[in-house]
Amino acid sequence: SAVISQKPSRDICQRGTSLTIQCQVDSQVTMMFWYRQQPGQSLTLIATANQGSEATYESGFVIDKFPISRPNLTFSTLTVSNMSPEDSSIYLCSVEGLAGAGEQFFGPGTRLTVL
Amino acid sequence: AQSVAQPEDQVNVAEGNPLTVKCTYSVSGNPYLFWYVQYPNRGLQFLLKYITGDNLVKGSYGFEAEFNKSQTSFHLKKPSALVSDSALYFCAVRATNDYKLSFGAGTTVTVRA
Repeated sequence: SAVISQKPSRDICQRGTSLTIQCQVDSQVTMMFWYRQQPGQSLTLIATANQGSEATYESGFVIDKFPISRPNLTFSTLTVSNMSPEDSSIYLCSVEGLAGAGEQFFGPGTRLTVL
Repeated sequence: AQSVAQPEDQVNVAEGNPLTVKCTYSVSGNPYLFWYVQYPNRGLQFLLKYITGDNLVKGSYGFEAEFNKSQTSFHLKKPSALVSDSALYFCAVRATNDYKLSFGAGTTVTVRA
């Protein structure tokens, strides 16, 4: 399985500011995913990031609020823009396992608190 | 559309007793099914999956799950629970022709000594 790291592991931010979360994988992967886990809730897919193309956003998520970069096959960033307390969540990146295997492997997450 | 239901918010068992965490799913076509575990302040760890073949799949830490197509279920089981199994468990599904995972709401398992 891939080894995935995220930075920062946690942060406390002020309302109206932006935070960029980094996701680094130890091997080249085609697809990377960004999820949000709100307090006490399940995971919700924000967007899918493919190298060399625009990210694909799920319903309820927009690029202006959650811009994503995917400059190469091992790295991606998610920015949470103009934050409000409702953005307080754990943000996780994931990658697909071996082709055809189906499972995704997750990073340790970034715990964001917005005051 | 695909979805997952985990009907129990919490499951409490005594150490050494069998543990079952329930999951039912809805998906177009054949499913890929997964179980993940999340320990406090940690990311999700993959436990096991059903892709095809034998309906009983075995995974990490002594867990297993049984795929039942007629009941659209994929319950997670462990014959003898440990206190260290206390965590949040998520069931997930995807269609075979889609990469998107849909997660259930999660079940908190507490194993008491």
